[in-house]
Amino acid sequence: AQSVTQLDSHVSVSEGTPVLLRCNYSSSYSPSLFWYVQHPNKGLQLLLKYTSAATLVKGINGFEAEFKKSETSFHLTKPSAHMSDAAEYFCVVSDHMRFGAGTRLTVKP
Amino acid sequence: DAGITQSPRHKVTETGTPVTLRCHQTENHRYMYWYRQDPGHGLRLIHYSYGVKDTDKGEVSDGYSVSRSKTEDFLLTLESATSSQTSVYFCAISESSLNGGGSSNEQFFGPGTRLTVL
Repeated sequence: AQSVTQLDSHVSVSEGTPVLLRCNYSSSYSPSLFWYVQHPNKGLQLLLKYTSAATLVKGINGFEAEFKKSETSFHLTKPSAHMSDAAEYFCVVSDHMRFGAGTRLTVKP
Repeated sequence: DAGITQSPRHKVTETGTPVTLRCHQTENHRYMYWYRQDPGHGLRLIHYSYGVKDTDKGEVSDGYSVSRSKTEDFLLTLESATSSQTSVYFCAISESSLNGGGSSNEQFFGPGTRLTVL
């Protein structure tokens, strides 16, 4: 069975500084991996997805993630945080889209 | 935006009453899903459907049933609501299954239904 662990329940950064949201997965085969974002009282929006092509995946709004099989990780990064990035982020592994518990990103002015 | 609507968007009900939530899509996608979202748990899969009249259980299916009589509609029923079923419920659709290595499809989510069981 597949599972996913988001290592931080809450991350706080200052505007203009880098963002790192960590995700580890377990899978018995090569998975598809996704990052979704949920702004307060909103639905979920796909940020990016990995599907066994390039290991560095670029998404919307300047986010990217790198698939590292040896570390079973799929961390989400952004070089410079913006106030509008404040939201809940979910790492998801295929097999009926098993979700991590989420990481709440706070961006300080 | 993918054409997914959920109804009702908000509902307050009492323990022991039946509740039905509706998900409607206009994308003609084969797969439909029901999730619940609770603090600290992310989204957890309740049931999913892989075609008309074809459904299967997810990881938190106890106390819930589903039906899919048409491609565009997927109903979630709480036969006798309990306070532990107070949650936000999301419907999602996808063109193909995500099972198996290398599957590449993504899910599109509805706006959610906030259910409170008193």
